[in-house]
Amino acid sequence: GAGVSQSPRYKVAKRGQDVALRCDPISGHVSLFWYQQALGQGPEFLTYFQNEAQLDKSGLPSDRFFAERPEGSVSTLKIQRTQQEDSAVYLCASSLGASSINEQFFGPGTRLTVL
Amino acid sequence: AQSVTQLDSQVPVFEEAPVELRCNYSSSVSVYLFWYVQYPNQGLQLLLKYLSGSTLVESINGFEAEFNKSQTSFHLRKPSVHISDTAEYFCAVTPPHYNTNAGKSTFGDGTTLTVKP
Repeated sequence: GAGVSQSPRYKVAKRGQDVALRCDPISGHVSLFWYQQALGQGPEFLTYFQNEAQLDKSGLPSDRFFAERPEGSVSTLKIQRTQQEDSAVYLCASSLGASSINEQFFGPGTRLTVL
Repeated sequence: AQSVTQLDSQVPVFEEAPVELRCNYSSSVSVYLFWYVQYPNQGLQLLLKYLSGSTLVESINGFEAEFNKSQTSFHLRKPSVHISDTAEYFCAVTPPHYNTNAGKSTFGDGTTLTVKP
């Protein structure tokens, strides 16, 4: 079956613009994760959903960042009033179950460049 | 709180040589340990994981990692590498499923393994 998909793959935004990044997880996967990966670094946890419930958003760097998964499937990460420090690759991952023993399947990422 | 340190950012080796990619972690609770691999122009994918039981875990393509609790390490090894093993490797830890922070994984900054002919 299809893997995790993300769109757009690349996004260029002017400072101050709002952006929305989409994640389509593997069908039937309960858990969904968002990560931010800066150049030369590993993925940094942003937030985590089980179905439609956002169980942990402690990694969101500011109140400009907002994520939702209203129907327990597709998720959107929204960044308001983008800043240059928001430039990074945003990764989405999903896993089959609710337990952290489950493998996370990663999407290809969205590369966000803020000018 | 938890953190992961990958001690080498770049590891160049010749084909058929052995390799070890080092990973140390710190955590106030017990954790699950993972190695992910990212091949050029591809997404991250799971290589192997340690949850409990035998401290030595293996992948299908010849990698192995050993969990050492006293040294808080989870080093990745392969006795003989191939050109196709060229990739970036990430070590990660996750609190266990019964922990309130169970979904919050912490990754290291990655090690770029380059296998030369």
